[in-house]
Amino acid sequence: KNEVEQSPQNLTAQEGEFITINCSYSVGISALHWLQQHPGGGIVSLFMLSSGKKKHGRLIATINIQEKHSSLHITASHPRDSAVYICAVRDDKIIFGKGTRLHILP
Amino acid sequence: KAGVTQTPRYLIKTRGQQVTLSCSPISGHRSVSWYQQTPGQGLQFLFEYFSETQRNKGNFPGRFSGRQFSNSRSEMNVSTLELGDSALYLCASSPRPTSGSGYEQYFGPGTRLTVT
Repeated sequence: KNEVEQSPQNLTAQEGEFITINCSYSVGISALHWLQQHPGGGIVSLFMLSSGKKKHGRLIATINIQEKHSSLHITASHPRDSAVYICAVRDDKIIFGKGTRLHILP
Repeated sequence: KAGVTQTPRYLIKTRGQQVTLSCSPISGHRSVSWYQQTPGQGLQFLFEYFSETQRNKGNFPGRFSGRQFSNSRSEMNVSTLELGDSALYLCASSPRPTSGSGYEQYFGPGTRLTVT
């Protein structure tokens, strides 16, 4: 079993829909990261969380340490949000989920 | 500030050869981490350097090595290349070591290595 599991693996939605991507992990962590990777490979760090909730624009990330679970939400989704979203957990090393491929249709 | 730069961006090598990839961190950042990304395994941690010292290493064979210079630039080397080493190699920098810290990482664009 992978130490970091993301769901869904793939997600296609219409523009404007509310999107939720989930991440569950089985190891102790000091922080959890949400990353965005566009075609071509460039990775952007969206959030780093150790507790609670963070919001940046239309993006919201939450983490429940007791349940070892985090969610990334996108409100009013737009085609430019189409990317792969990767969850990563960190303690002394970093472990990545396999990613969720999101496609927003105009 | 300029972002993280990696050179070269694309590389084609033959099995058995060796390759050196370079990463220049954001000015003032002293920690550099390297990652391998393949379609099958996803992103995997290779190693992290801080102040010219390797702080952490992932589960990769000894053919994968790295170093960091006094100006924080880092190189990674892969010897005796195998077909399975074809991947996107990403480096990321942060001001301080990332283990257990609150520091975010900033990723470079990656070097796409193809081994034939």
